[in-house]
Amino acid sequence: QVQLQESGPGLVKPSGTLSLTCAVSGGSISSSYWWSWVRQPPGKGLEWIGEISHSGSTNYNPSLKSRVTISVDKSKNHFSLRLTPVTAADTAVYYCARGQLRDLDYWGQGTLVTVSS
Amino acid sequence: QSALTQPASVSGSPGQSITISCTGTSSDFGGYNYVSWYQQHPGKAPKLMIYDVSNRPSGVSIRFSGSKSGNTASLTISGLQAEDEADYYCISYASTWGVFGTGTKVTVL
Repeated sequence: QVQLQESGPGLVKPSGTLSLTCAVSGGSISSSYWWSWVRQPPGKGLEWIGEISHSGSTNYNPSLKSRVTISVDKSKNHFSLRLTPVTAADTAVYYCARGQLRDLDYWGQGTLVTVSS
Repeated sequence: QSALTQPASVSGSPGQSITISCTGTSSDFGGYNYVSWYQQHPGKAPKLMIYDVSNRPSGVSIRFSGSKSGNTASLTISGLQAEDEADYYCISYASTWGVFGTGTKVTVL
């Protein structure tokens, strides 16, 4: 059974950098899957952030593209999200998931990141 | 890309059928765009219910079905049950970008 777990700071200062990691267990991140990030501001809807393939190809939400980087670390079997600079509007629950937006089949439980001074 | 448009809420009594619409533009639903639907219960991660317009992942009830006509996709829940009360989101995905719908809260009366 594949499991995903997000980790990272729960509080980030405005203009700072949001960095999250998604640890994958029960499967290899090097397998032929894409890996994705989705976020949800408190009380609001879902927003696609972007995705990365097992070979490192990436696709990003155009509205976030200038601030986002998604990367894979095969040695640690995890992938990461970096968003900078952040504002209060980036406060959200961040989810990692396996697949592309059309077929995200395994999800992490989500982690709340608050942007505040 | 703007979010796809969904009704804010839909309700029905147990046993009834309801349909949730998802409206976009020709660039959202034309060509090789994929349409999927996710269910999200409060405080939980979303769950894939329908992918590629009308396909159900293994384990998803046959009460859930999807369709698409022109620039509108639809999710139908038949035989509504209390456990179906949740938020539902459509998505359009076109290989290099994707967008969620605005979300629909389904209430079982």
